[in-house]
Amino acid sequence: GENVEQHPSTLSVQEGDSAVIKCTYSDSASNYFPWYKQELGKRPQLIIDIRSNVGEKKDQRIAVTLNKTAKHFSLHITETQPEDSAVYFCAASTIQGAQKLVFGQGTRLTINP
Amino acid sequence: GAVVSQHPSRVICKSGTSVKIECRSLDFQATTMFWYRQFPKQSLMLMATSNEGSKATYEQGVEKDKFLINHASLTLSTLTVTSAHPEDSSFYICSAGRSSSTDTQYFGPGTRLTVL
Repeated sequence: GENVEQHPSTLSVQEGDSAVIKCTYSDSASNYFPWYKQELGKRPQLIIDIRSNVGEKKDQRIAVTLNKTAKHFSLHITETQPEDSAVYFCAASTIQGAQKLVFGQGTRLTINP
Repeated sequence: GAVVSQHPSRVICKSGTSVKIECRSLDFQATTMFWYRQFPKQSLMLMATSNEGSKATYEQGVEKDKFLINHASLTLSTLTVTSAHPEDSSFYICSAGRSSSTDTQYFGPGTRLTVL
């Protein structure tokens, strides 16, 4: 089955700097890669996703890149703000059957003012 | 938008009792819903896939007789934790995807279960 590894587990950056979180996956059949942001005690919120037919996607300060050959994808947050502090999860799934998501271990991002 | 609700948000029960958690898709139909369990400071662990009108598919290591799942309609799935014990205390979250979509999942707000 699919296995998703996420690094780093914690990340602390100065406000205004960029943050990068990386994930690798094992199943070459995976073709959908969402990123979720979860604040303490809250539900995971989808912030961006990418499908395997594209290599990069951007939405304002957030971007995701995908390297299918290397089986890794990354989340980039630019001009970080204190409200970006949260736990971020990457996930992978195949668009077959139930499209179940396999999550990475999570990255606790702290933005220091 | 795509809104998923869960009820209750918090529940405290005595050991040995059963607890039912509801997951509803409010503005779309969901043929498939997913149930996750999340321990403090850990990732989401998929427990089972709930299929409307058929039996749920459980992940390896998840006891199907312990965690009963029913998906009786396109907007409602329920998870019943039977004979709950303190080790069942956790944050349970459901997710659902639109029937017309192939991938995007929307999460419910979660239910924090505490078993005394």
